[in-house]
Amino acid sequence: NAGVTQTPKFRVLKTGQSMTLLCAQDMNHEYMYWYRQDPGMGLRLIHYSVGEGTTAKGEVPDGYNVSRLKKQNFLLGLESAAPSQTSVYFCASSYGGGTGNTIYFGEGSWLTVV
Amino acid sequence: GDSVTQMEGPVTLSEEAFLTINCTYTATGYPSLFWYVQYPGEGLQLLLKATKADDKGSNKGFEATYRKETTSFHLEKGSVQVSDSAVYFCALSVAGGTSYGKLTFGQGTILTVHP
Repeated sequence: NAGVTQTPKFRVLKTGQSMTLLCAQDMNHEYMYWYRQDPGMGLRLIHYSVGEGTTAKGEVPDGYNVSRLKKQNFLLGLESAAPSQTSVYFCASSYGGGTGNTIYFGEGSWLTVV
Repeated sequence: GDSVTQMEGPVTLSEEAFLTINCTYTATGYPSLFWYVQYPGEGLQLLLKATKADDKGSNKGFEATYRKETTSFHLEKGSVQVSDSAVYFCALSVAGGTSYGKLTFGQGTILTVHP
């Protein structure tokens, strides 16, 4: 049971380059999320999706785009990477949107922009 | 808005010591409360949760009680082990509108346990 899988796990980008982070979940979850984790700041929500074909902005969406073409996948794109986007990115998913639903996280993707 | 405040870290303890990590929150609605743990090099794992006032979440010897009157959800363990060394995050989720399922996190507390 893979759960939530993120690729790639590590990446170094030059300023201005673009890239896509892929998140896949095999739990048939409706809700998917992208967070970023920065030292001393906990995790902050970038974008989320409440079902296939839907996306919505979270707390820190600027500089990122997302797509949810298939229920099991949630892609996070950086069109023109900036050093401020150096962070650890976590994808997560949950069955429903109720507050009691457990949110499951992937292992993280370490991104460095130089 | 919603927010979570955790005690400043890092916290360093000897094995078998008692652990408390304080967590307080502010929320616009009626939240569910969570503790997540992140072991070195890994993603976050749900440690325990509580969905209503006075509920006690527990797992792996850790406990936390949802205290609505003090807006707190402090994490405790009676006897820590070296394997408990990790970063601990307090989080909340509030029902209603577009907030369903989204977590608001505290800044995390680094715990190091020495033999």
